[in-house]
Amino acid sequence: QVQLVQSGAGVKRPGASVKVSCKASGFTFTSFYMHWVRQAPGQGLEWMGWINPDTGGINYAEKFLGRVTLTRDTSMSTVYMELSGLTSDDTAVYHCARDRGMGSGLLDSWGQGTLVTVSS
Amino acid sequence: DIQMTQSPSTLSASVGDRVTITCRASQSISSWLAWYQQKPGKAPKLLIYKASSLVSGVPSSFSGSGSGTEFTLTISSLQPDDFATYYCQQYYSNSPLTFGGGTKVEIK
Repeated sequence: QVQLVQSGAGVKRPGASVKVSCKASGFTFTSFYMHWVRQAPGQGLEWMGWINPDTGGINYAEKFLGRVTLTRDTSMSTVYMELSGLTSDDTAVYHCARDRGMGSGLLDSWGQGTLVTVSS
Repeated sequence: DIQMTQSPSTLSASVGDRVTITCRASQSISSWLAWYQQKPGKAPKLLIYKASSLVSGVPSSFSGSGSGTEFTLTISSLQPDDFATYYCQQYYSNSPLTFGGGTKVEIK
């Protein structure tokens, strides 16, 4: 079955960077776009961007341009989200999610989430 | 960007109640709308896509309707497992994808 397993929670200092991983299994990794969505405590869902694991093509939400980098390692069936210049506003649970198709935008499977806490 | 507005933000209901949540888009999105259910501490779960298509395994008590700019999610008979937060999401444009603010369905 489809599984997306993310790396563990962490605490980061303001100004630092964080890199979250998302390991996929149960499907052909290069056949499905992967998205990242975050959720601040008690808040709603915020889309960050997607990556095409086949080509490495990426698309970022304008809000995160210049701060977010999505990458993938096809040999490990893993996608990564790196966010730099962290502030307290970046404290959130970060989810990876599989696109049902190649860029449809329909998110049919989600990782368990990774809590990133930004605190001095 | 396409803005998605959900109402109400909180809904108090009892087991067995019929519940309706509304989602409005700032422009027409045809039927490119999904509904997700999220329970505390868990990832969202896809319930409905293309406005009215039920994901396999989702109880038939859930239904979706609408097109263009106005959509509804209906739970015909609320069960204890249904108390959760529900989000709509448009995928007419995949950049950016946008979500409604969420509707928390709580026990009355």
